[in-house]
Amino acid sequence: GAGVSQSPSNKVTEKGKDVELRCDPISGHTALYWYRQRLGQGLEFLIYFQGNSAPDKSGLPSDRFSAERTGESVSTLTIQRTQQEDSAVYLCASSDGGQGSGNTIYFGEGSWLTVV
Amino acid sequence: AQSVTQLGSHVSVSEGALVLLRCNYSSSVPPYLFWYVQYPNQGLQLLLKYTSAATLVKGINGFEAEFKKSETSFHLTKPSAHMSDAAEYFCAVTRSGGYQKVTFGTGTKLQVIP
Repeated sequence: GAGVSQSPSNKVTEKGKDVELRCDPISGHTALYWYRQRLGQGLEFLIYFQGNSAPDKSGLPSDRFSAERTGESVSTLTIQRTQQEDSAVYLCASSDGGQGSGNTIYFGEGSWLTVV
Repeated sequence: AQSVTQLGSHVSVSEGALVLLRCNYSSSVPPYLFWYVQYPNQGLQLLLKYTSAATLVKGINGFEAEFKKSETSFHLTKPSAHMSDAAEYFCAVTRSGGYQKVTFGTGTKLQVIP
């Protein structure tokens, strides 16, 4: 696609429910990133994919968070048993993996998650 | 390890005045540096990037940044602020060579006063 696409754009969920956030990266981009941005705060790195593998998942805050990527394309970030502190914008980004791009990463519009 | 520090979480300028947003980086190897802009309720958009070519980098919307190795800085400037420049600006650092984690600063909110 032309840009990074994320869905849903907005999600309100009850505490304790599971949520899935989806990311469609730019076509051909091998690298995919998830970041979290709490209200009024900076970007918090969650996980990085190269292809379908995740060589860096050091930012996942707890075992309630997981992510997968299939077909070297779509990625899903899953949050189990959501808590109010999970409320944030979840930003997905992709890049061509540093092959001539200077590691430029391109962001989606984000998925706004509110846990009530 | 690499990091960026953005001085000033909020900056206010008058319309038509100079915009200066500060970013200092720390990196054990030559860095690649970026500035991104985030308008309200939107994702991040690349403004400009430095990847070891020219030290003065020009970006979109009249912004530019200068890489100063001696000062480990990559400050963002614009000669004349416009109301539409009101947004949050993030500095980021990475390095060359395949995958490298991109580390973001905490952001600077720019307010433009009419």
